[in-house]
Amino acid sequence: LAKTTQPISMDSYEGQEVNITCSHNNIATNDYITWYQQFPSQGPRFIIQGYKTKVTNEVASLFIPADRKSSTLSLPRVSLSDTAVYYCLVGGHLANAGGTSYGKLTFGQGTILTVHP
Amino acid sequence: KAGVTQTPRYLIKTRGQQVTLSCSPISGHRSVSWYQQTPGQGLQFLFEYFSETQRNKGNFPGRFSGRQFSNSRSEMNVSTLELGDSALYLCASRSRASGRTNTGELFFGEGSRLTVL
Repeated sequence: LAKTTQPISMDSYEGQEVNITCSHNNIATNDYITWYQQFPSQGPRFIIQGYKTKVTNEVASLFIPADRKSSTLSLPRVSLSDTAVYYCLVGGHLANAGGTSYGKLTFGQGTILTVHP
Repeated sequence: KAGVTQTPRYLIKTRGQQVTLSCSPISGHRSVSWYQQTPGQGLQFLFEYFSETQRNKGNFPGRFSGRQFSNSRSEMNVSTLELGDSALYLCASRSRASGRTNTGELFFGEGSRLTVL
């Protein structure tokens, strides 16, 4: 299983860009990197997924270097509502039509992001 | 579309007892996975089911078991409860691959909070 390491906590201010890095030194060739966000008393929810290079969607960007041993989630111009725990997830196989296996999943410990006014 | 539903939301048991938790996935999702979340260990993968078969299993003792029914609903059981089993148990159903994710997206329920006394 790919072990992941994230910072335990980070602080930021409204309007700033936040970058959270996850280390996954023994990532497997068929592993994807996915980030989830979790608010108190709720289950995690999907933010973004990537395999290599850079991926961007409407809420975040994900940077993955060529060796894929780390990844960085970038949140542009955070607001107070971005205060949450962010998890890096490594694993997962291509979901084919049968969707037979997601593989063994490894979540990081999570990074508590606190956004201050 | 209704989300992932977990029951019960809260329960209290004593050591030595057993507990069964239920999860109803999003309609059309065939994969269901379970996770244990504790402050000390973070989010840990328990197992994943697809088409009534366990596809992957995390590093938990045999006291933790699960099953999936033909309608994709899933249950997990913990026997001979220990104090350390107190946790939030999360269930997730997985969508098919899409433009957002090649491995399918996990949709989490709100969890079942188990307290073992």
